[in-house]
Amino acid sequence: KQEVTQIPAALSVPEGENLVLNCSFTDSAIYNLQWFRQDPGKGLTSLLLIQSSQREQTSGRLNASLDKSSGRSTLYIAASQPGDSATYLCAVEYNFNKFYFGSGTKLNVKP
Amino acid sequence: DVKVTQSSRYLVKRTGEKVFLECVQDMDHENMFWYRQDPGLGLRLIYFSYDVKMKEKGDIPEGYSVSREKKERFSLILESASTNQTSMYLCASSLPSGQSTLNYGYTFGSGTRLTVV
Repeated sequence: KQEVTQIPAALSVPEGENLVLNCSFTDSAIYNLQWFRQDPGKGLTSLLLIQSSQREQTSGRLNASLDKSSGRSTLYIAASQPGDSATYLCAVEYNFNKFYFGSGTKLNVKP
Repeated sequence: DVKVTQSSRYLVKRTGEKVFLECVQDMDHENMFWYRQDPGLGLRLIYFSYDVKMKEKGDIPEGYSVSREKKERFSLILESASTNQTSMYLCASSLPSGQSTLNYGYTFGSGTRLTVV
């Protein structure tokens, strides 16, 4: 079974800091990688999707990078805000409709 | 705005009841999924469907069944609800492998919090 690992499991930072969340995967033969945000008690909201042929995607203060050869992706959040507090999950898609999720990084941005 | 809609946000059922969780998507996606999410265990796949009337077991199918009679609707059925099925249930949909794009990736519903008493 494929494994997707997210480090750290939890992170607490003061408002305004730039931060990096990490996602690693064991098999580099991916179709795409997607980052999600989940607020407590809610569903998952898609943030960014990087196709296997791409190196990065940007949306506002978020930038996600992908290095297939090393099996890693990072989510960079610039100028963090208290509203960014949530759990961030990455998901990797492989062939035959197989998706694998990391266990998430719980982010707390302190005012 | 494309979306996945789960019929109930909160649900309380009694042990032994037959429970139906409904999910509808308006994106014409071929794939639909049911997950449960529990603290410390992450997202676990129960069943998924890659076409109408097609289904495949996920990692934890025991005690559950599914139905997909129409492309847009995927139902999760708890045949005889038990207290260990108390959980958050999440439905998702996607295009077939390799066809996801920036705007049409894996899309989740808002979840159903099921409590079995």
